[in-house]
Amino acid sequence: EDQVTQSPEALRLQEGESSSLNCSYTVSGLRGLFWYRQDPGKGPEFLFTLYSAGEEKEKERLKATLTKKESFLHITAPKPEDSATYLCAVQATLNSGGSNYKLTFGKGTLLTVNP
Amino acid sequence: ETGVTQTPRHLVMGMTNKKSLKCEQHLGHNAMYWYKQSAKKPLELMFVYSLEERVENNSVPSRFSPECPNSSHLFLHLHTLQPEDSALYLCASSQDLGTYEQYFGPGTRLTVT
Repeated sequence: EDQVTQSPEALRLQEGESSSLNCSYTVSGLRGLFWYRQDPGKGPEFLFTLYSAGEEKEKERLKATLTKKESFLHITAPKPEDSATYLCAVQATLNSGGSNYKLTFGKGTLLTVNP
Repeated sequence: ETGVTQTPRHLVMGMTNKKSLKCEQHLGHNAMYWYKQSAKKPLELMFVYSLEERVENNSVPSRFSPECPNSSHLFLHLHTLQPEDSALYLCASSQDLGTYEQYFGPGTRLTVT
Protein backbone atom coordinates (compact mmCIF):
# COMPACT_ATOMS: atom_id res chain seq x y z
CA GLU A 1 0.00 0.00 0.00
CA ASP A 2 1.27 3.45 -0.92
CA GLN A 3 2.17 5.68 2.03
CA VAL A 4 3.13 9.34 2.38
CA THR A 5 4.48 10.89 5.57
CA GLN A 6 5.07 14.63 5.83
CA SER A 7 7.19 16.36 8.45
CA PRO A 8 7.06 18.47 10.41
CA GLU A 9 3.32 18.69 11.03
CA ALA A 10 3.70 22.41 11.65
CA LEU A 11 6.52 24.87 11.07
CA ARG A 12 6.75 28.45 12.20
CA LEU A 13 9.34 30.72 10.52
CA GLN A 14 10.31 34.33 10.66
CA GLU A 15 10.12 36.23 7.40
CA GLY A 16 13.35 35.61 5.50
CA GLU A 17 14.22 32.44 7.46
CA SER A 18 14.76 29.67 4.89
CA SER A 19 13.79 26.06 5.66
CA SER A 20 12.64 22.77 4.13
CA LEU A 21 9.58 20.57 4.34
CA ASN A 22 9.95 16.81 4.04
CA CYS A 23 7.79 14.23 2.26
CA SER A 24 8.77 10.58 2.73
CA TYR A 25 6.99 8.07 0.56
CA THR A 26 6.60 4.35 0.01
CA VAL A 27 5.31 3.25 -3.37
CA SER A 28 6.08 0.16 -5.40
CA GLY A 29 6.59 2.16 -8.59
CA LEU A 30 6.55 5.95 -8.66
CA ARG A 31 4.71 7.57 -11.55
CA GLY A 32 4.80 11.07 -10.07
CA LEU A 33 5.14 13.02 -6.85
CA PHE A 34 3.06 16.15 -6.44
CA TRP A 35 3.21 19.22 -4.24
CA TYR A 36 0.13 21.31 -3.56
CA ARG A 37 -0.48 24.42 -1.49
CA GLN A 38 -3.75 24.79 0.41
CA ASP A 39 -4.97 28.00 2.02
CA PRO A 40 -7.56 27.85 4.81
CA GLY A 41 -11.05 27.13 3.49
CA LYS A 42 -9.83 26.62 -0.07
CA GLY A 43 -8.96 23.73 -2.35
CA PRO A 44 -5.38 22.59 -2.96
CA GLU A 45 -3.47 24.57 -5.56
CA PHE A 46 -1.09 22.61 -7.79
CA LEU A 47 2.59 23.56 -7.46
CA PHE A 48 4.90 20.89 -8.91
CA THR A 49 5.12 17.40 -10.35
CA LEU A 50 8.38 15.44 -10.02
CA TYR A 51 8.85 12.23 -11.96
CA SER A 52 12.28 10.78 -11.20
CA ALA A 53 15.04 10.91 -8.62
CA GLY A 54 17.36 13.84 -9.07
CA GLU A 55 14.71 16.06 -10.61
CA GLU A 56 14.27 19.61 -9.31
CA LYS A 57 11.66 22.28 -10.03
CA GLU A 58 11.44 25.90 -8.93
CA LYS A 59 8.72 28.50 -8.64
CA GLU A 60 9.47 31.85 -7.06
CA ARG A 61 10.73 31.11 -3.52
CA LEU A 62 9.91 27.40 -3.71
CA LYS A 63 12.15 24.59 -4.94
CA ALA A 64 11.11 20.94 -4.95
CA THR A 65 13.59 18.06 -5.11
CA LEU A 66 13.14 14.30 -5.33
CA THR A 67 15.11 11.24 -4.25
CA LYS A 68 14.08 7.59 -4.37
CA LYS A 69 12.56 7.78 -0.88
CA GLU A 70 11.65 11.41 -0.22
CA SER A 71 11.01 14.84 -1.57
CA PHE A 72 11.89 18.20 -0.09
CA LEU A 73 10.17 21.52 -0.58
CA HIS A 74 12.75 24.21 0.08
CA ILE A 75 11.46 27.68 0.91
CA THR A 76 13.99 30.45 0.45
CA ALA A 77 13.49 33.77 2.26
CA PRO A 78 9.79 33.13 2.90
CA LYS A 79 7.22 35.90 3.16
CA PRO A 80 4.01 35.95 5.23
CA GLU A 81 1.99 35.22 2.08
CA ASP A 82 3.74 31.83 1.87
CA SER A 83 1.80 30.77 4.96
CA ALA A 84 -0.37 27.78 4.03
CA THR A 85 -0.60 24.01 4.35
CA TYR A 86 1.67 22.23 1.89
CA LEU A 87 0.48 18.82 0.72
CA CYS A 88 2.51 16.05 -0.88
CA ALA A 89 0.98 13.22 -2.90
CA VAL A 90 2.24 10.23 -4.89
CA GLN A 91 0.86 8.36 -7.84
CA ALA A 92 1.89 4.77 -8.60
CA THR A 93 2.55 3.25 -11.98
CA LEU A 94 0.08 0.86 -13.59
CA ASN A 95 2.52 -2.04 -13.81
CA SER A 96 3.18 -1.86 -10.06
CA GLY A 97 -0.49 -2.33 -9.27
CA GLY A 98 -1.39 1.33 -9.22
CA SER A 99 -4.48 2.82 -10.74
CA ASN A 100 -2.47 5.44 -12.71
CA TYR A 101 -4.81 8.19 -11.48
CA LYS A 102 -5.16 7.72 -7.72
CA LEU A 103 -3.24 10.23 -5.60
CA THR A 104 -2.17 9.16 -2.10
CA PHE A 105 -1.82 12.27 0.05
CA GLY A 106 0.10 13.01 3.20
CA LYS A 107 -1.49 14.94 6.07
CA GLY A 108 0.37 18.12 5.13
CA THR A 109 2.70 20.62 6.81
CA LEU A 110 1.15 23.81 8.16
CA LEU A 111 3.62 26.61 7.48
CA THR A 112 3.31 29.94 9.28
CA VAL A 113 5.62 32.80 8.32
CA ASN A 114 5.65 35.68 10.77
CA PRO A 115 6.50 39.21 9.63
CA GLU B 1 -15.78 31.40 -14.59
CA THR B 2 -12.42 29.71 -14.77
CA GLY B 3 -10.92 26.54 -13.34
CA VAL B 4 -13.07 24.33 -11.13
CA THR B 5 -16.07 25.80 -9.32
CA GLN B 6 -18.17 24.28 -6.55
CA THR B 7 -21.51 25.22 -5.05
CA PRO B 8 -22.56 25.75 -2.38
CA ARG B 9 -19.42 26.80 -0.55
CA HIS B 10 -21.01 26.08 2.82
CA LEU B 11 -23.85 23.72 3.71
CA VAL B 12 -25.50 22.84 7.00
CA MET B 13 -27.94 19.95 6.91
CA GLY B 14 -29.77 17.73 9.30
CA MET B 15 -29.39 13.97 9.28
CA THR B 16 -32.73 13.48 7.55
CA ASN B 17 -32.20 16.05 4.81
CA LYS B 18 -31.37 15.47 1.17
CA LYS B 19 -29.00 17.88 -0.54
CA SER B 20 -26.68 17.97 -3.53
CA LEU B 21 -23.21 19.37 -4.12
CA LYS B 22 -22.36 20.68 -7.57
CA CYS B 23 -19.02 20.87 -9.34
CA GLU B 24 -18.28 22.40 -12.73
CA GLN B 25 -14.94 22.47 -14.52
CA HIS B 26 -14.14 25.02 -17.22
CA LEU B 27 -10.85 23.42 -18.29
CA GLY B 28 -12.04 21.04 -20.98
CA HIS B 29 -10.94 18.06 -18.89
CA ASN B 30 -12.29 14.52 -19.29
CA ALA B 31 -11.83 13.13 -15.76
CA MET B 32 -13.44 14.35 -12.53
CA TYR B 33 -13.02 13.34 -8.90
CA TRP B 34 -14.68 13.71 -5.50
CA TYR B 35 -12.47 13.87 -2.40
CA LYS B 36 -13.29 14.15 1.30
CA GLN B 37 -10.99 16.17 3.58
CA SER B 38 -11.45 15.77 7.32
CA ALA B 39 -9.42 17.51 10.01
CA LYS B 40 -6.06 15.89 10.72
CA LYS B 41 -6.57 13.29 7.98
CA PRO B 42 -5.22 13.03 4.42
CA LEU B 43 -7.49 13.68 1.47
CA GLU B 44 -9.60 10.60 0.75
CA LEU B 45 -10.60 9.74 -2.80
CA MET B 46 -14.33 8.95 -3.00
CA PHE B 47 -15.33 8.69 -6.66
CA VAL B 48 -13.70 8.95 -10.07
CA TYR B 49 -15.36 9.58 -13.42
CA SER B 50 -13.84 9.44 -16.89
CA LEU B 51 -15.96 10.69 -19.79
CA GLU B 52 -19.07 10.46 -17.60
CA GLU B 53 -18.35 6.83 -16.67
CA ARG B 54 -17.64 5.94 -13.05
CA VAL B 55 -14.33 4.13 -12.77
CA GLU B 56 -13.91 4.00 -9.00
CA ASN B 57 -16.18 3.88 -5.98
CA ASN B 58 -13.74 3.82 -3.11
CA SER B 59 -15.86 1.93 -0.54
CA VAL B 60 -18.02 4.96 0.03
CA PRO B 61 -21.31 4.50 1.95
CA SER B 62 -24.45 4.51 -0.18
CA ARG B 63 -25.69 7.69 1.51
CA PHE B 64 -23.30 9.42 -0.93
CA SER B 65 -24.47 9.13 -4.54
CA PRO B 66 -22.45 10.66 -7.39
CA GLU B 67 -23.74 11.74 -10.77
CA CYS B 68 -21.83 12.87 -13.83
CA PRO B 69 -24.23 14.01 -16.59
CA ASN B 70 -21.41 15.28 -18.84
CA SER B 71 -17.67 15.78 -18.70
CA SER B 72 -18.01 19.31 -17.29
CA HIS B 73 -20.40 18.65 -14.41
CA LEU B 74 -20.26 16.44 -11.35
CA PHE B 75 -22.77 16.13 -8.53
CA LEU B 76 -22.69 14.50 -5.14
CA HIS B 77 -26.14 13.69 -3.79
CA LEU B 78 -26.38 13.42 -0.03
CA HIS B 79 -29.07 11.75 2.09
CA THR B 80 -29.40 10.59 5.68
CA LEU B 81 -25.88 11.66 6.54
CA GLN B 82 -24.17 11.20 9.89
CA PRO B 83 -22.36 13.86 11.95
CA GLU B 84 -19.03 12.17 11.10
CA ASP B 85 -19.68 13.04 7.46
CA SER B 86 -19.00 16.69 8.29
CA ALA B 87 -15.93 17.65 6.26
CA LEU B 88 -14.65 19.66 3.31
CA TYR B 89 -15.74 18.01 0.06
CA LEU B 90 -13.42 18.75 -2.83
CA CYS B 91 -13.96 18.28 -6.52
CA ALA B 92 -11.01 17.93 -8.90
CA SER B 93 -10.47 17.40 -12.61
CA SER B 94 -7.64 16.29 -14.88
CA GLN B 95 -7.16 16.31 -18.64
CA ASP B 96 -7.60 12.56 -18.83
CA LEU B 97 -7.73 9.68 -16.36
CA GLY B 98 -4.05 8.97 -16.69
CA THR B 99 -2.95 12.61 -16.73
CA TYR B 100 -0.72 13.56 -13.86
CA GLU B 101 -2.02 16.83 -12.48
CA GLN B 102 -5.40 17.17 -10.83
CA TYR B 103 -6.85 20.64 -10.36
CA PHE B 104 -9.09 21.26 -7.37
CA GLY B 105 -12.11 23.42 -6.73
CA PRO B 106 -12.54 25.52 -3.57
CA GLY B 107 -14.59 22.85 -1.82
CA THR B 108 -17.92 22.70 0.01
CA ARG B 109 -17.73 22.88 3.79
CA LEU B 110 -20.44 20.47 4.98
CA THR B 111 -21.76 20.38 8.52
CA VAL B 112 -24.21 17.65 9.51
CA THR B 113 -26.23 18.41 12.62
